[in-house]
Order: sequence, then structure tokens, then C-alpha cells
Amino acid sequence: QVQLQESGPGLVKPSGTLSLTCAVSGGSISSSSWWTWVRQPPGKGLEWIGQIFHSGSTDYNPSLKSRVSISVDKSKNKFSLRLSSVTAADTAVYYCARVYSYQSRADYWGQGTLVTVSS
Amino acid sequence: QSVLTQPPSVSGAPGQRVTMSCTGSSSNIGAGYDVHWYQQLPGTAPKVLIYANSNRPSGVPDRFSGFKSGTSASLAISGLQAEDEADYYCQSYDSSLSGSWVFGGGTKLTVL
Repeated sequence: QVQLQESGPGLVKPSGTLSLTCAVSGGSISSSSWWTWVRQPPGKGLEWIGQIFHSGSTDYNPSLKSRVSISVDKSKNKFSLRLSSVTAADTAVYYCARVYSYQSRADYWGQGTLVTVSS
Repeated sequence: QSVLTQPPSVSGAPGQRVTMSCTGSSSNIGAGYDVHWYQQLPGTAPKVLIYANSNRPSGVPDRFSGFKSGTSASLAISGLQAEDEADYYCQSYDSSLSGSWVFGGGTKLTVL
């Protein structure tokens, strides 16, 4: 059973950089799966941020592409998210998830972590 | 505005059948990309309910079914139960957005 766990600061200052890590257990990050980040502002719907393959190939949401970077650390079986120049609009619950295969469904999800952007 | 359009809410009484729609365009659902459905119970992470238009993961009751046609997809829930009250999201891919995932805005199901 694959498990994912997000970690990182729960509070980030405006104009700063949001950094989160997703630790994967019960499976290898070097499998045929992709790994993705999805966020959900309080009381709103889901927004896709981007995804990464263990080779380092990435896809990003065009609306966030200029501020987003997703990386993978195969030695530690984890992947990470960096979002720069954050504003209050980036306040959300951030989820990491496994994508079964390219353009397939997200079949395993982390519990999510709330990140608040505030001074 | 979400790329995929879902009704904000649907409701039904226990035991009834409800359906909810997910409308896209020729660059996503209509281009042949699969549609996946997620159920999000209050305060929890989304869970895949239907994948590749009409397939149920192991453990999902057969009360849940999915269908895709043209530029739209739909999720049906029969034998409605109180524990089905949740938010439901459809998701696909869009070729006009560099292979981005796209989500619907979500439908809140209320069991009366």
C-alpha cells in the first residue's frame, strides 16, 4: 500500500517561497508512476499544480508555471514543490499524490497540509 | 472558471438515483482524454471513485458508475446513502494547455 506524507512550513510570508516535501512509502518513486501536487483553497475546488516523473520530466499548470518548480530525490524516495512569490491567493491545502501512469488517475493521496500566506 | 463545468449542487433522498454532469470541450474530453471522478468527504483528501470514464477501483461499490460521450461525462449514484454526501470532482487532460490536468469546479451532493 503506497502512502504519501506532505511536510513543510504551515506559514509563509507574502513574496516568499513555499516549499513542501512529499515522502513516499510502500512503493518506489522510480516506478512507472508520475507524482503530482494539487491544491485546494479554503472552501474552493481542486487546482492542479504540476507533476514529475522519476527521470525529472515535469508538466506544470500554465497559470503557475513561472513560479513553480517540482523536483525528485530518488535516494530519499521523495519529491518536492517550490512556489515562489507567494500571495494570499496561494493559501490552500496542498496535496501530493501518485499518478498511476501518464494521463491516468491519481490513485494514492497524502492527507494534505494547510499552508497559509500571511505576514 | 474551471475548464470542466459541473453543476454546483445536486440532491436526492436515500435510496434514489442521482446523476451529475461534467462538460468539457474538443481539447479535453472531446479529444478522447479519459475522465476520472473523485469523491471528497468533508475534511479529507480526494479519493478516486471512477477512472478511465467508467472503471471502478477495487472497493468502490457498484452503486457508482461513470459514462462518457462526446465532450461530456457523467457520474451516477444509485441507492443513495447518507455517507455519499460529499463533493465530487471530474478530472481530465487538456491538449491546449500543454498536457495539463483540468478539474471541474466540483458538485456538492446533499442527501436529503
